[in-house]
Amino acid sequence: EAGVAQSPRYKIIEKRQSVAFWCNPISGHATLYWYQQILGQGPKLLIQFQNNGVVDDSQLPKDRFSAERLKGVDSTLKIQPAKLEDSAVYLCASSLDPGSTDTQYFGPGTRLTVL
Amino acid sequence: AQSVAQPEDQVNVAEGNPLTVKCTYSVSGNPYLFWYVQYPNRGLQFLLKYITGDNLVKGSYGFEAEFNKSQTSFHLKKPSALVSDSALYFCAVILKGTGRRALTFGSGTRLQVQP
Repeated sequence: EAGVAQSPRYKIIEKRQSVAFWCNPISGHATLYWYQQILGQGPKLLIQFQNNGVVDDSQLPKDRFSAERLKGVDSTLKIQPAKLEDSAVYLCASSLDPGSTDTQYFGPGTRLTVL
Repeated sequence: AQSVAQPEDQVNVAEGNPLTVKCTYSVSGNPYLFWYVQYPNRGLQFLLKYITGDNLVKGSYGFEAEFNKSQTSFHLKKPSALVSDSALYFCAVILKGTGRRALTFGSGTRLQVQP
């Protein structure tokens, strides 16, 4: 079974530029998560989708971050404009069903450096 | 509110010796507890989870963890460490019954196994 795919793996941008990350979850997984992992910290949730609807975006900085999951499969996370403090690894995860006991499977992440 | 503490930034152990990576949690109800491992430039890999039942949970790669409700702990253990176990380990929690599905992670513990 193929895992969670993410691209690009690395991205370097100047502050105030925009950037987009792509995630393809495991086939059949209804729930998709975006986490932000700052160096030296554990991942923190940005947004959670159930199929193509948003379940939890309470920690998403909506003035600059946006995300969508069209057709309930792939998802895109965008930052516009980027700030220095956005430098982090952005992890996408998916799980089969919305139950809180269900295991989340993570992609390799996108490492963003904002200069 | 829910939180996870990993009191040790780094754990050093010699190959062949038993290892323990500590995790304590703080929730106002019943927790679901998870352990993930992160290798360099890779995403998080699921090791094991405690949902209910037997307090001793066995997972991937010979790891196990013991849920201790009175001490609010969920320590990760392995009887005999391998050099290849060297990685960053994260404990995570979901609070049962809140409807929240996203994981709350600890800050991580770096395990270094010396040959």
